Amino acid sequence: DAGVIQSPRHEVTEMGQEVTLRCKPISGHDYLFWYRQTMMRGLELLIYFNNNVPIDDSGMPEDRFSAKMPNASFSTLKIQPSEPRDSAVYFCASSFKYSNQPQHFGDGTRLSIL
Amino acid sequence: RKEVEQDPGPFNVPEGATVAFNCTYSNSASQSFFWYRQDCRKEPKLLMSVYSSGNEDGRFTAQLNRASQYISLLIRDSKLSDSATYLCVVISGAGNNRKLIWGLGTSLAVNP
Repeated sequence: DAGVIQSPRHEVTEMGQEVTLRCKPISGHDYLFWYRQTMMRGLELLIYFNNNVPIDDSGMPEDRFSAKMPNASFSTLKIQPSEPRDSAVYFCASSFKYSNQPQHFGDGTRLSIL
Repeated sequence: RKEVEQDPGPFNVPEGATVAFNCTYSNSASQSFFWYRQDCRKEPKLLMSVYSSGNEDGRFTAQLNRASQYISLLIRDSKLSDSATYLCVVISGAGNNRKLIWGLGTSLAVNP
């Protein structure tokens, strides 16, 4: 079975550019999560969706970040304009339920903003 | 106090040793707990859920202590392949007010 698929795996771009990260969750999962991981702050939940609807975006750092889920099989996380402090690994995860089912993570996108 | 805290380590142990990690949480209403494992430059992967009565999976035992608000992970007969970072995650609240908080992880190095 296909797991959570993220693209691109790596992204290097200059500050000020728009960055779009993509995620395809596991088919049948109704929760989708976007995370950012850095050495200093660990794994931070940015936003999560339930049945394509954003439920909690309190972790989104600022207005430069936006996320959409137009259908059950696709989500994007966009940063515009990007800044060097946005450099991190961004993970997408999906799960069947929120509380008592495990989250399955994609391979992540390693983002470097120069 | 952080909502979820872990000793970052690193824990350096020889093969065959028994090692235990704790993860403390501040919200007494927390209801779901998990341990994940993350290898270097990889994604987190579920190791095990933590049940109120404690649970075991092979060499791994997870326990919950609600009175002292911590969960633990015990690894017996450690293997070189157990070297990784172990993350705990705590879920509290209900409905759309649920909060999911990850610890920063505990690094384990098992040495030959």
